[in-house]
Amino acid sequence: TQLLEQSPQFLSIQEGENLTVYCNSSSVFSSLQWYRQEPGEGPVLLVTVVTGGEVKKLKRLTFQFGDARKDSSLHITAAQPGDTGLYLCAGSWGNEKLTFGTGTRLTIIP
Amino acid sequence: NAGVTQTPKFQVLKTGQSMTLQCAQDMNHEYMSWYRQDPGMGLRLIHYSVGAGITDQGEVPNGYNVSRSTTEDFPLRLLSAAPSQTSVYFCASSRGTGLLTEAFFGQGTRLTVV
Repeated sequence: TQLLEQSPQFLSIQEGENLTVYCNSSSVFSSLQWYRQEPGEGPVLLVTVVTGGEVKKLKRLTFQFGDARKDSSLHITAAQPGDTGLYLCAGSWGNEKLTFGTGTRLTIIP
Repeated sequence: NAGVTQTPKFQVLKTGQSMTLQCAQDMNHEYMSWYRQDPGMGLRLIHYSVGAGITDQGEVPNGYNVSRSTTEDFPLRLLSAAPSQTSVYFCASSRGTGLLTEAFFGQGTRLTVV
């Protein structure tokens, strides 16, 4: 079973601070996705990265794919309460199945 | 603009009972899947289907059955519920594989087995 490890598992910070969460695997991904899940809802896709070293920005969120395509990070600048949620990475290894990480539960304190 | 619809949203079962969780999508996606979400364990794949008439097992298939008679519907059956199956269940669909694997999720079914 291919494993995706996310860190930290929980993160609680003040509004306006910056943060980074990580997603790591021992295997090389074909592609990697980040999802955000709010309470009582299903996960919603934020971004897909496919090229080693790729950086994508979505407003205050910056996603980076590692050069070796084994890891990824999500950086949030000037966090806001609306960023609160469970952040999940999901990797694809060239087949149909997505494998999800264990998630980072982020709380932004106003 | 329904997307992926799951029913019911909540369910309580007694040990040994059977039930079917319903999932329907209106996006004409070929690929559908069922996950369970437990605290600290992320989403684990139960079963998936790459098209009508084709299903396969995921990471945690024991105790669950699926069928895919149409593109739209992908029900999940619990044959004899056990307390270990208490979880939140998500159905997802996507257009395909590789770069097309953006998964669209339903709102989930919270199942409690007592």
